[in-house]
Amino acid sequence: NAGVTQTPKFRILKIGQSMTLQCAQDMNHNYMYWYRQDPGMGLKLIYYSVGAGITDKGEVPNGYNVSRSTTEDFPLRLELAAPSQTSVYFCASSLRTGGSGKLFFGSGTQLSVL
Amino acid sequence: TQLLEQSPQFLSIQEGENLTVYCNSSSVFSSLQWYRQEPGEGPVLLVTVVTGGEVKKLKRLTFQFGDARKDSSLHITAAQPGDTGLYLCAGVPDGNKLVFGAGTILRVKS
Repeated sequence: NAGVTQTPKFRILKIGQSMTLQCAQDMNHNYMYWYRQDPGMGLKLIYYSVGAGITDKGEVPNGYNVSRSTTEDFPLRLELAAPSQTSVYFCASSLRTGGSGKLFFGSGTQLSVL
Repeated sequence: TQLLEQSPQFLSIQEGENLTVYCNSSSVFSSLQWYRQEPGEGPVLLVTVVTGGEVKKLKRLTFQFGDARKDSSLHITAAQPGDTGLYLCAGVPDGNKLVFGAGTILRVKS
């Protein structure tokens, strides 16, 4: 099993550009999440999904969009990149939700917006 | 402000020393998790504690959940360079979603 796979690993964007961060999992997990990690701030939840076709906002959703057309894939879209979106982005999945669910994380995408 | 406050923010110690890192909150949590994250990788779950007062051991790591379920600690005995990383606690405040602390960066020098 590959687990959770994220692409790309690194990306530099200019202000105003758009891009999609890809995330795929092969564990048949219903729950998937997107987090951003900034120095000294821990992980903040951007969007999450409880199953194919169902998504919901997390703590910091502004400037992002998601879709979940299949159980395996959960892409994150940045429409008009801003310097405030410079961060490391992690996708995760879990079999169960909440504190009893073990989150499996991808290896992250380091994004710089200049 | 963080719902989960971790301390210290940074810890640099020599191989063989013992250490404790803390995860505190004013809120009650139904459970708390501890993750370790190495540079360039995502966090990996170490343990989940669910009962107030619970103690779990993972080799040289000892995790404790406070009696009131508002805090947790991670104690490492005889730290090794392989323990170096970012330690994150995460928990679910009653009725809400999983939240993470800002983390403790641990560096163990040989």
